[in-house]
Amino acid sequence: GAVVSQHPSRVICKSGTSVKIECRSLDFQATTMFWYRQFPKKSLMLMATSNEGSKATYEQGVEKDKFLINHASLTLSTLTVTSAHPEDSSFYICSASGQGEYEQYFGPGTRLTVT
Amino acid sequence: AQTVTQSQPEMSVQEAETVTLSCTYDTSENNYYLFWYKQPPSRQMILVIRQEAYKQQNATENRFSVNFQKAAKSFSLKISDSQLGDTAMYFCAFMNLIQGAQKLVFGQGTRLTINP
Repeated sequence: GAVVSQHPSRVICKSGTSVKIECRSLDFQATTMFWYRQFPKKSLMLMATSNEGSKATYEQGVEKDKFLINHASLTLSTLTVTSAHPEDSSFYICSASGQGEYEQYFGPGTRLTVT
Repeated sequence: AQTVTQSQPEMSVQEAETVTLSCTYDTSENNYYLFWYKQPPSRQMILVIRQEAYKQQNATENRFSVNFQKAAKSFSLKISDSQLGDTAMYFCAFMNLIQGAQKLVFGQGTRLTINP
């Protein structure tokens, strides 16, 4: 089956710094990648959709300048949380879909803690 | 906008029992997919079962089956012969194919505990 990885699995950063999370499709070409945020004991909320080589489409209420998404290749998308604050602490999950496919394959998630 | 509602925040059953998780959704579209995902303590999202709206036959995957009622906009998940490994959060999700972006809209989730 299709495998998606995320790195790092957990990260702690200081308030005001930036942190980058990588999402990779290991055995297929991901034309579309999605970034979700999940608060404790809550559901997944879509933050943005990115297509390879195009600018990401952000959901309403998600700050584009704070959550920078880059999808420069068919196997890699990155989410950069800029000037992180404690309220950005959360579990971030990516998923990926191949060309013409509807099914999303999920990464294992990244736990971000901002101190 | 589509919405997905799971009205059971928590459920608990004994091992080997059958349990049904409820899900309703709201949409004006006719062409869509519905999914049930499992999120165990590891937090890895695992696809349990999917249903294409145009198919009248309910999807089945081993011990997992759905009751898809399109007119009622209901999509429940039945787990038969429940096992300890079924303990997890379960999310119902909707995907509108018309929009083309394949966005998933998730319900609030149901925390299922299987007791020995």
